[in-house]
Amino acid sequence: EAGVAQSPRYKIIEKRQSVAFWCNPISGHATLYWYQQILGQGPKLLIQFQNNGVVDDSQLPKDRFSAERLKGVDSTLKIQPAKLEDSAVYLCASSTRTFTDTQYFGPGTRLTVL
Amino acid sequence: EDQVTQSPEALRLQEGESSSLNCSYTVSGLRGLFWYRQDPGKGPEFLFTLYSAGEEKEKERLKATLTKKESFLHITAPKPEDSATYLCAVLPNSGGYQKVTFGTGTKLQVIP
Repeated sequence: EAGVAQSPRYKIIEKRQSVAFWCNPISGHATLYWYQQILGQGPKLLIQFQNNGVVDDSQLPKDRFSAERLKGVDSTLKIQPAKLEDSAVYLCASSTRTFTDTQYFGPGTRLTVL
Repeated sequence: EDQVTQSPEALRLQEGESSSLNCSYTVSGLRGLFWYRQDPGKGPEFLFTLYSAGEEKEKERLKATLTKKESFLHITAPKPEDSATYLCAVLPNSGGYQKVTFGTGTKLQVIP
């Protein structure tokens, strides 16, 4: 069974530039999560989708971050414009339904904002 | 506010030297507690889910236990390949939508 795919794996940008990350969850998983993991910290949930609807985005900085899940499958997370403090690993995870189901994480995208 | 505290921040063990990692939590009711392993440059890998005090789960050299205030991850006779960061996360059970809160992790190094 293929795992959660993410791209790119690494990205370096200047502050105020834009960046987008892509995630393809495990086939058949209804729920998709985006997390931000700053160096030395645990993952922090940014947004949760169930199918193509947003369940929670309370911790998403909506003035600069946006996310969408196309047709309930792939998802993209965008930052526009980026700030220095956005430097982190962005993790995508999926599960069959809810948080009580096992979450499977992708390898993450490491973003460096200069 | 839900809180998860993991200790120690880092642990260095000799191969074969057993030890325990701690995860203490403050939530208004616990729906589930999760343990993950994270290797450098990779996403977290699921290990265990615990639901109620007194519950225990085992996998190879790892055993996770749960009380009403904390969880322990016991590592018996660790090997160098057990070196990783171990993350704990809690899901509260206080009605409505809830989300997991992760701790900052314990970085384990096992020396041959």
